[in-house]
Amino acid sequence: GAVVSQHPSRVICKSGTSVKIECRSLDFQATTMFWYRQFPKKSLMLMATSNEGSKATYEQGVEKDKFLINHASLTLSTLTVTSAHPEDSSFYICSAMGPWETQYFGPGTRLLVL
Amino acid sequence: SQQGEEDPQALSIQEGENATMNCSYKTSINNLQWYRQNSGRGLVHLILIRSNEREKHSGRLRVTLDTSKKSSSLLITASRAADTASYFCATGETSGSRLTFGEGTQLTVNP
Repeated sequence: GAVVSQHPSRVICKSGTSVKIECRSLDFQATTMFWYRQFPKKSLMLMATSNEGSKATYEQGVEKDKFLINHASLTLSTLTVTSAHPEDSSFYICSAMGPWETQYFGPGTRLLVL
Repeated sequence: SQQGEEDPQALSIQEGENATMNCSYKTSINNLQWYRQNSGRGLVHLILIRSNEREKHSGRLRVTLDTSKKSSSLLITASRAADTASYFCATGETSGSRLTFGEGTQLTVNP
């Protein structure tokens, strides 16, 4: 149990376009989801905390207008990278707060902006 | 910001040997969790230890927590080539809160 999916698994887009990444908890409801960014051979950096039915809480230094988060239901949160640029290329991972105080992670989305 | 520091950054051992990874943190915590990540994949939750616990076991995994030293260790016994991955510790300051990840240890188990 406690499976989290992400879609797409990888995406290539042109500079200036917007990309939406979906994070779904498949077999449990998640009031809270988290979005992380990971650079090659580096640790995870928390970008924002997504709460169902309310605005996301962004970490310091993360532009909320650049990275739009919507947590419309108890099983779905979306991250939209707006007007993407090459420096936004990264591995984006979501997690959902599940049973037993544990965060369950999605498989990640690799974004490449050309 | 990342508060966890992991030691060593990289560890290479032979199959069958034990692997020990350490994690230190700076603030008070409610719990500490260990995750595993295969290259280019998501994270897999391994074990959670609460601040009032000192040791926990799960299969070949043994985790210790010393809150006075603000440190934790992860021991993998009888390692296998399939254990090759990056291992991260993550701390939660309150129950169900955001996690702060350490820098990770890259473990390589040679067959």
